[in-house]
Amino acid sequence: NAGVTQTPKFQVLKTGQSMTLQCAQDMNHNSMYWYRQDPGMGLRLIYYSASEGTTDKGEVPNGYNVSRLNKREFSLRLESAAPSQTSVYFCASKLQGGANYGYTFGSGTRLTVV
Amino acid sequence: AQSVTQLDSQVPVFEEAPVELRCNYSSSVSVYLFWYVQYPNQGLQLLLKYLSGSTLVESINGFEAEFNKSQTSFHLRKPSVHISDTAEYFCAVSDGGTSYGKLTFGQGTILTVHP
Repeated sequence: NAGVTQTPKFQVLKTGQSMTLQCAQDMNHNSMYWYRQDPGMGLRLIYYSASEGTTDKGEVPNGYNVSRLNKREFSLRLESAAPSQTSVYFCASKLQGGANYGYTFGSGTRLTVV
Repeated sequence: AQSVTQLDSQVPVFEEAPVELRCNYSSSVSVYLFWYVQYPNQGLQLLLKYLSGSTLVESINGFEAEFNKSQTSFHLRKPSVHISDTAEYFCAVSDGGTSYGKLTFGQGTILTVHP
């Protein structure tokens, strides 16, 4: 099925370990986003890529890096995981960066840092 | 900067009762407004959106929301809920400028429909 695919779905890390969350979309969308979801805080933007070859910081970028590998793929890396990064991470994409275009979300990665 | 406040963190209702999920926003520019729904263990899905034109917008499954500029609100309503409407609902705002479509989300409202 067409859409946004995130891997892995679940992950447990020890403090200080690193990992990369993968995201791929097959809808030929130009813009891609990484959000984190925490109870009572809604979703907060970590990084986004308005188009292939560009990335920008969102609201909560500290402790993360991203790579827009190509038009389809947008990865999120935690270099040294901390318990505060325990969260559910969502990747999203949209056809264009304009505000009137709707997002398509992946099903999320549930990350626990112990 | 823009912000969104969802006034209720949890809303319990009985099946076939009406429901209103409240959302207020603040923004210094014209806005686009959205409601997303998240079913358990799934990603978010767009429920409805206001871009321009008629202030009352509807979804295919019976929800509606009304944009009220003077009260800076975008409340979500449904006249008769079903068990299957149990989910978390997020209000979101995006300005019409050069923010590359970044959404600012509210904190979410968990709607629980009881039989």
